[in-house]
Amino acid sequence: GIQVEQSPPDLILQEGANSTLRCNFSDSVNNLQWFHQNPWGQLINLFYIPSGTKQNGRLSATTVATERYSLLYISSSQTTDSGVYFCAVVLFSGGYNKLIFGAGTRLAVHP
Amino acid sequence: DAGVTQSPTHLIKTRGQQVTLRCSPISGHKSVSWYQQVLGQGPQFIFQYYEKEERGRGNFPDRFSARQFPNYSSELNVNALLLGDSALYLCASSLYSRNEAFFGQGTRLTVV
Repeated sequence: GIQVEQSPPDLILQEGANSTLRCNFSDSVNNLQWFHQNPWGQLINLFYIPSGTKQNGRLSATTVATERYSLLYISSSQTTDSGVYFCAVVLFSGGYNKLIFGAGTRLAVHP
Repeated sequence: DAGVTQSPTHLIKTRGQQVTLRCSPISGHKSVSWYQQVLGQGPQFIFQYYEKEERGRGNFPDRFSARQFPNYSSELNVNALLLGDSALYLCASSLYSRNEAFFGQGTRLTVV
């Protein structure tokens, strides 16, 4: 089956720093989502991005589907950005949709 | 607007027992999916339901079952609980079966 790899696994930043999180996937996908999991476990939607670039405030994402990777950029990081970031590829097969998640990048932003 | 809601938020069960978890999708969403997240890992797909029918199933044993009701809410049932079933169970809803998924806050199940 398709493999989803995220890097780095852990990241420690000082407040105000910028960072880039990477998601590689091993096969063609229908779509891709980025999530932020807060300390209470909820997955917060960041981007739904099959290809191209999207921006939302200090966050932006780029997916290059032909090269099978996506990048999440966090600029001017804040302590509230701490948590785990997941990318999930979306596969539509056999009449249903499922997300296949990477193992996540654990981000800690210190003041 | 209310997001995806799950109940209960936390649950402790004994090995061998049965558990039912509940999920209410975003208003207007017709598809509900269930995921299991073991500590330190990404969520794993269990089921997708669309228009009250099971449309897809992940690699989970038959002890796991689910259903979707006419109002599109859903229940996940797990029988004969094992210690390894301890996890965060996440419900996701989407407008149709192929659209962006939105997750609830999860139910944290502990099996002792």
